[in-house]
Amino acid sequence: GEQVEQRPPHLSVREGDSAVITCTYTDPNSYYFFWYKQEPGASLQLLMKVFSSTEINEGQGFTVLLNKKDKRLSLNLTAAHPGDSAAYFCAVSANTNKVVFGTGTRLQVLP
Amino acid sequence: EAAVTQSPRNKVTVTGGNVTLSCRQTNSHNYMYWYRQDTGHGLRLIHYSYGAGNLQIGDVPDGYKATRTTQEDFFLLLELASPSQTSLYFCASRQVSNERLFFGHGTKLSVL
Repeated sequence: GEQVEQRPPHLSVREGDSAVITCTYTDPNSYYFFWYKQEPGASLQLLMKVFSSTEINEGQGFTVLLNKKDKRLSLNLTAAHPGDSAAYFCAVSANTNKVVFGTGTRLQVLP
Repeated sequence: EAAVTQSPRNKVTVTGGNVTLSCRQTNSHNYMYWYRQDTGHGLRLIHYSYGAGNLQIGDVPDGYKATRTTQEDFFLLLELASPSQTSLYFCASRQVSNERLFFGHGTKLSVL
């Protein structure tokens, strides 16, 4: 079945620096991709969803890149601020309706 | 915004105990999921369902049963709880496969 590896497990950056989190997956039939953010003690909230092949999506302060050839998904926070401190999870779904999550990255943004 | 409500929020039981975790979603979503969250493992899928009476096996189903009694309600059952099942459990729902998951607030289960 699908396996999703997420790196790094922990990441500490200074305010204003960039931060990159990467997921690699195994199922070539996967084509729905999501990033979720989980603040301490809270539930998971959607950050962005990405479909189609190689694609860049930009949100508020972050960029998501999907490379289906390499089966890699990345989240790039372009200028991190302390409010970005949280756990981040990628999630991958094929048409089986299973949704498989990465192991998570705990990001700390220092002032 | 879709609403997913889990109960209880916290539960403590003893080894061998019987536990039922409840989840209700009020947006008529087809799909419902049970995950457990553990440090170093992320969220792991236990069971999921695409409608009342349906059950699909997830990636870590051992020791868990689940039942989808209605479109709204999905239950997770631990009939002989073990300390290894101490975890944070999340229920989620969604309408179709290309849509996001809506999560409940989680149930923290401790098995002593």
